[in-house]
Amino acid sequence: GAVVSQHPSRVICKSGTSVKIECRSLDFQATTMFWYRQFPKQSLMLMATSNEGSKATYEQGVEKDKFLINHASLTLSTLTVTSAHPEDSSFYICSARGRRVLGEQKNQPQHFGDGTRLSIL
Amino acid sequence: GESVGLHLPTLSVQEGDNSIINCAYSNSASDYFIWYKQESGKGPQFIIDIRSNMDKRQGQRVTVLLNKTVKHLSLQIAATQPGDSAVYFCAENYGGATNKLIFGTGTLLAVQP
Repeated sequence: GAVVSQHPSRVICKSGTSVKIECRSLDFQATTMFWYRQFPKQSLMLMATSNEGSKATYEQGVEKDKFLINHASLTLSTLTVTSAHPEDSSFYICSARGRRVLGEQKNQPQHFGDGTRLSIL
Repeated sequence: GESVGLHLPTLSVQEGDNSIINCAYSNSASDYFIWYKQESGKGPQFIIDIRSNMDKRQGQRVTVLLNKTVKHLSLQIAATQPGDSAVYFCAENYGGATNKLIFGTGTLLAVQP
């Protein structure tokens, strides 16, 4: 259970292109999804938190007009990198956390997709 | 700001030995902790979690220990196998309104045959 699918796994495109990345929870409803960025040999850096049906909350230093996040349903969130440039090249990873069932403990683990390798030429 | 850090960036062990990966956290208000394993080119994979009202939790070949007094977390892997080679991250859950995870810097576990 708790499978998160991320698509595409790899994108190579020209500078100035906008790129959309999809994150789907396949077997559970994700009330909250998270988007991370990871540079080689470094840890995951949280970019934004996305709650279904509301605007995303961006971390300090992350441009919301550059990284557009949509969480239109309980199983899908998208990240669009607008007018991408070489410095946007990175490994982008999404995660999803399920709805807490009444009676369960407060915290639920985040489950991650396999990431999208974005390369801007 | 608050952060989660690891003492050892690289840990090399012999196959069959036990591995211990350590993590220090600084937010005393964090109430939930998770260990993730990340293989090259993939997303982090959930290993085990522990809530702050516990000090030990065991899974299959893995044990997580939590010492709130010194804000220390460790992951023990029994009988380490080549398939355990990966980067391991601890993450602490910041509670409150955002309820977000803060990841440590990661430890590369290299298992020698």
